[in-house]
Amino acid sequence: AQRVTQPEKLLSVFKGAPVELKCNYSYSGSPELFWYVQYSRQRLQLLLRHISRESIKGFTADLNKGETSFHLKKPFAQEEDSAMYYCALSDTDKLIFGTGTRLQVFP
Amino acid sequence: SAVISQKPSRDICQRGTSLTIQCQVDSQVTMMFWYRQQPGQSLTLIATANQGSEATYESGFVIDKFPISRPNLTFSTLTVSNMSPEDSSIYLCSAVDSLSSGNTIYFGEGSWLTVV
Repeated sequence: AQRVTQPEKLLSVFKGAPVELKCNYSYSGSPELFWYVQYSRQRLQLLLRHISRESIKGFTADLNKGETSFHLKKPFAQEEDSAMYYCALSDTDKLIFGTGTRLQVFP
Repeated sequence: SAVISQKPSRDICQRGTSLTIQCQVDSQVTMMFWYRQQPGQSLTLIATANQGSEATYESGFVIDKFPISRPNLTFSTLTVSNMSPEDSSIYLCSAVDSLSSGNTIYFGEGSWLTVV
C-alpha cells in the first residue's frame, strides 16, 4: 500500500544549524514526491518536488530509491523556516501525505 | 497557477446539522479533491470530485456522510452531513492545474468546522 512516513513530529534547532526532515515512502510504482509547507495561519503550499531537482529557500531534497527516502535538508536554518512540513507522494494525481513534522528554529 | 477560495472559512455547527463548503477555483482545473485535517493530524483524502459524475471516495468515507458536487471545471461543494463532534476538523479543497506544466496541486485556505 502507498504510504508516507515522517518519523519526527517535532524538530527543534537553533538558527544557523543544519536541518534534516526525514521522509520515507512505500509505493509500488515510480513515485513522484513533494514537500509541502504550512506557515502559521497560511495555506498549505508546495515547497519543492523531486522532479524539479531545485532548491527553494535553501531547501533541497533528493529521492533515494534504494532507501525509499526523500529527506528535506537545509544547511543553515533560519527563524522564518519555522513551520509544519509535510512530505507527500503523488498517486495518479491525488496526494498521500505524511503526518508532518513541525520545525522550530530558535534564535 | 490556480487560486482556490473556500467558503466558509470557519463555522460553529450544532450536532446533527449539515453544512456545505464551497470551493471556487479561478481557472479550469482537471481534478479537484477534498481533504480533512483533524486537530493535530495530517491531511487525509476524503474523495476526488469528478466533473459531471459521482465523486470517488477513499476508504472510510461514504457519499451519505460527505456528499460532493462538481457541476463544472471550476467549482465544487462538500457537505458534511449529520455532524458530530468527531467531524470537527479543517476541510481543504485542492485542485490540479491542468494548464501548467507538471501536476502542480494547489490548496485552498481550508474551512475550519467546530461541531458542538
